[in-house]
Amino acid sequence: DAKTTQPTSMDCAEGRAANLPCNHSTISGNEYVYWYRQIHSQGPQYIIHGLKNNETNEMASLIITEDRKSSTLILPHATLRDTAVYYCIVRVYSSASKIIFGSGTRLSIRP
Amino acid sequence: GAGVSQSPSNKVTEKGKDVELRCDPISGHTALYWYRQSLGQGLEFLIYFQGNSAPDKSGLPSDRFSAERTGGSVSTLTIQRTQQEDSAVYLCASSSSSDTEQYFGPGTRLTVT
Repeated sequence: DAKTTQPTSMDCAEGRAANLPCNHSTISGNEYVYWYRQIHSQGPQYIIHGLKNNETNEMASLIITEDRKSSTLILPHATLRDTAVYYCIVRVYSSASKIIFGSGTRLSIRP
Repeated sequence: GAGVSQSPSNKVTEKGKDVELRCDPISGHTALYWYRQSLGQGLEFLIYFQGNSAPDKSGLPSDRFSAERTGGSVSTLTIQRTQQEDSAVYLCASSSSSDTEQYFGPGTRLTVT
């Protein structure tokens, strides 16, 4: 079973920041938080990952609470192309580690 | 550079027939994964290969499913005696030994009639 809980769906206005929450209260000390997204009819795409510090890259920011039991993915300026299903995943930091996907959050960006 | 490629992109087959799905990972990637996604569902892990180690087959739903990876590169997922519930998009991903990110292919949409 997936170890994360996400809202089923969210929407956001174009140009605004999209904040996607994720609960992972049973995360282990050696597990990282990863985010992927899946645009319709495409394979999943890696976004970002982190352990305990906040992370930022060209796509998004990841804010992890101090107790690591929850996190938020932030898309700073959402565009229509960001409409997708966003998956929050916890897994060990390894190149040989399968991903257990949950049901994700369907993010809709409205013009 | 080239990403993960899969073929065919679409496959329609009759119930009871065998099918083979192919995955070409990113060159140099040592790990290769197969997932499937049924209509409106999330992604389900099937199997993964890591270098020369024995594959993790824990996600294969039945003994009708098998996969092999020849020469540490191309992989083939075989489904024998297909059933209608096998209809799904089959996704392949690969990752390098120095990277934890998995790069996904576009998938093969399998329809069993």
